[in-house]
Amino acid sequence: AAGVIQSPRHLIKEKRETATLKCYPIPRHDTVYWYQQGPGQDPQFLISFYEKMQSDKGSIPDRFSAQQFSDYHSELNMSSLELGDSALYFCASSLSFKAGRGPTQYFGPGTRLTVL
Amino acid sequence: AQTVTQSQPEMSVQEAETVTLSCTYDTSESNYYLFWYKQPPSRQMILVIRQEAYKQQNATENRFSVNFQKAAKSFSLKISDSQLGDTAMYFCAFMKPVRLTAGGTSYGKLTFGQGTILTVHP
Repeated sequence: AAGVIQSPRHLIKEKRETATLKCYPIPRHDTVYWYQQGPGQDPQFLISFYEKMQSDKGSIPDRFSAQQFSDYHSELNMSSLELGDSALYFCASSLSFKAGRGPTQYFGPGTRLTVL
Repeated sequence: AQTVTQSQPEMSVQEAETVTLSCTYDTSESNYYLFWYKQPPSRQMILVIRQEAYKQQNATENRFSVNFQKAAKSFSLKISDSQLGDTAMYFCAFMKPVRLTAGGTSYGKLTFGQGTILTVHP
């Protein structure tokens, strides 16, 4: 079965640079979520989208922005990178509430971002 | 805000034995969902099991089952016949639907517990 695709899988950036992470949800999934997981920590919710509109927002820094496109893929843009942004970034997708098929979020493999 | 607490930072079990991981949560919501995810050393997040709060029957998935105590806000995971491949970090997670500003409802974020590292010994 098709899974959530994230690219790139690994990314190394310098401080103050920008990064763009991409997420391609499971086919027919229209809801996308972004999470950040630091070393030894649980995943922290950043932001989510449903039908190309922001549906929920968590502890996402103002330096970060995200959007969902018409084909439901999503991009997380990160600017003025800081050392503390080094983490594993997960994208997850689910079917919508109105689909009535349940709320399970399926996670991609993650993008490991290292800021030097 | 909802909180999820896993009070066991680490657990270990012998292969083929049974182990139970604990999770408690705090919410004032009546409609919500609970999950267990595992994260092996590869760091992939894998769904183990899901429980709807409105269902009284405990969910089961093969060797995995939950003990859902809604009044006590407790959601424990039991792993039977433990296998070496069960070695992983296990996260308990809470989710509630959210109202959209444009109208309608969407599934909300997952709020995770701190995790329990489970090691299965041969």
